[in-house]
Amino acid sequence: DAGVIQSPRHEVTEMGQEVTLRCKPISGHNSLFWYRQTMMRGLELLIYFNNNVPIDDSGMPEDRFSAKMPNASFSTLKIQPSEPRDSAVYFCASSLQGDQPQHFGDGTRLSIL
Amino acid sequence: EDKVVQSPLSLVVHEGDTVTLNCSYEVTNFRSLLWYKQEKKAPTFLFMLTSSGIEKKSGRLSSILDKKELFSILNITATQTGDSAIYLCAVAGGADGLTFGKGTHLIIQP
Repeated sequence: DAGVIQSPRHEVTEMGQEVTLRCKPISGHNSLFWYRQTMMRGLELLIYFNNNVPIDDSGMPEDRFSAKMPNASFSTLKIQPSEPRDSAVYFCASSLQGDQPQHFGDGTRLSIL
Repeated sequence: EDKVVQSPLSLVVHEGDTVTLNCSYEVTNFRSLLWYKQEKKAPTFLFMLTSSGIEKKSGRLSSILDKKELFSILNITATQTGDSAIYLCAVAGGADGLTFGKGTHLIIQP
């Protein structure tokens, strides 16, 4: 069975550019999560969706970050404009329900120069 | 605000040693505690604990939860170099979703 699929795997771009990260959750999972991981701050929850509806976006750093889930099989995390401090690994995860074990994608390693 | 604290932050041991990783938490409306192992890429699920005092076991790994003292431990016996990873503890409580600790970086030397 396919797991959580993220793209791109690695992106390097200059500050000020728009960045869009993509995620396809496991089919049948109702909850989708976006995380950011850095050495300094560890794994931080940015936003999560339940049945395609954003439930808690309190972890989104600021207005430059936005996330959408137009349907059950696709979500995007957008950063506009990007800044060097956004450099991190961004993970998408899905689960059957919000507090059930989450299955993680391989992550997108984002570097903003 | 929900809080999960793991210790130690980093641990280096020799192959064959036994290690104990700690996770303490403060959350409202605790529902479960989960352990993950993260090697080079994504975290992979190890255990989910909901009841105090019941040990979960998988090969050389085991974990137990104490809901009175608000902590969990993850034990690894007869460690191998393949156990080297970051071990993450996460708690489900309050609103939906998980709160993660910063992880314990475990290095097993041959």
